[in-house]
Amino acid sequence: GQNIDQPTEMTATEGAIVQINCTYQTSGFNGLFWYQQHAGEAPTFLSYNVLDGLEEKGRFSSFLSRSKGYSYLLLKELQMKDSASYLCAVNNAGNMLTFGGGTRLMVKP
Amino acid sequence: KAGVTQTPRYLIKTRGQQVTLSCSPISGHRSVSWYQQTPGQGLQFLFEYFSETQRNKGNFPGRFSGRQFSNSRSEMNVSTLELGDSALYLCASSLTGHLYQETQYFGPGTRLLVL
Repeated sequence: GQNIDQPTEMTATEGAIVQINCTYQTSGFNGLFWYQQHAGEAPTFLSYNVLDGLEEKGRFSSFLSRSKGYSYLLLKELQMKDSASYLCAVNNAGNMLTFGGGTRLMVKP
Repeated sequence: KAGVTQTPRYLIKTRGQQVTLSCSPISGHRSVSWYQQTPGQGLQFLFEYFSETQRNKGNFPGRFSGRQFSNSRSEMNVSTLELGDSALYLCASSLTGHLYQETQYFGPGTRLLVL
């Protein structure tokens, strides 16, 4: 079966750093995506990892360990606009994404 | 380049009715995937179409169906609506769907309420 776990909610302070973890157990693995979704809006692509290691993109970084079935999304210099849900998704077959439940991040002043 | 568009944006139906939702992918994209998003179940994959053929299917009953036209536009249909079908239905497009690292780009979704 497919299982992707992420914390349901997190709270952090503006200007701080937050790490959102994602663990997965899937029957196949063709890469892991992180999406950001603001309330009432479509998910937007943040990052993609298929090899072990860290991918950095501005204030956002994503890490993958395939042997541990583990990824994290790191957000630096948090801004109020970063308050959103963050979705971890595994491409486990063809073009099919299996999503975790999402992590709702609240950034406080 | 215009993004993925979905129509209608909001829809209210009653139990037993059927509904058709439409999705126009980004120009040049040939793969269209559909997802259902609910507070309880999160985002769940419905099906994926490429070149007018269904290539992948999620774990949903046969009441959920779809099709893709030669211009890559896609429709999904839900027949005999149930209260539990109330959800945000998201469409996502990607270039070919063949390359595993291709990013899927999501449309704004159609919010369906079944009364």
